Amino acid sequence: ILNVEQSPQSLHVQEGDSTNFTCSFPSSNFYALHWYRWETAKSPEALFVMTLNGDEKKKGRISATLNTKEGYSYLYIKGSQPEDSATYLCAAARGTYKYIFGTGTRLKVLA
Amino acid sequence: EAQVTQNPRYLITVTGKKLTVTCSQNMNHEYMSWYRQDPGLGLRQIYYSMNVEVTDKGDVPEGYKVSRKEKRNFPLILESPSPNQTSLYFCASSPPGFEQFFGPGTRLTVL
Repeated sequence: ILNVEQSPQSLHVQEGDSTNFTCSFPSSNFYALHWYRWETAKSPEALFVMTLNGDEKKKGRISATLNTKEGYSYLYIKGSQPEDSATYLCAAARGTYKYIFGTGTRLKVLA
Repeated sequence: EAQVTQNPRYLITVTGKKLTVTCSQNMNHEYMSWYRQDPGLGLRQIYYSMNVEVTDKGDVPEGYKVSRKEKRNFPLILESPSPNQTSLYFCASSPPGFEQFFGPGTRLTVL
């Protein structure tokens, strides 16, 4: 089974700080890497789907990069706000249909 | 409104009593999938469906059945639930290879 690891497990930052997390995955048989944002008592919501080595995606203050050769993706949040507090999940796709999720990075932004 | 719905949202049942969790999507997505979420573990894929009448096992299929008779519906069946199936279950749908849309989750307790 493909192993997806996320670090750190949890993170507390002050409002206005920039932060980043890591998603590591085996680089063999790579197909795509998904990032999701999961707020407490809600369902995961998609942030990005990345497929190409060197891919960079951006949505507002959140951006992500992908390195398929070494098997990692970074998620960056610039100027963190309390509403960014959530668990951030990454998932590696094995082909079009099978997904392996990491355990997530729990972010808490303190006002 | 584009959405994935699941019913019931909460269920407490007893060992061995057959149950079905329904999942429906109104986005005409070909792909649907079931996941379970347990503390300390990432979302784990139970079964997925590439289209009507086409389903396949994920990483943790034991004790579950699915069917896909219509494009919009993908029920999860527990023929003889056991306590180790106590979990939070999510259904998701997407166009193949694209970001997944998750339902609100079903919290199941098997006594």
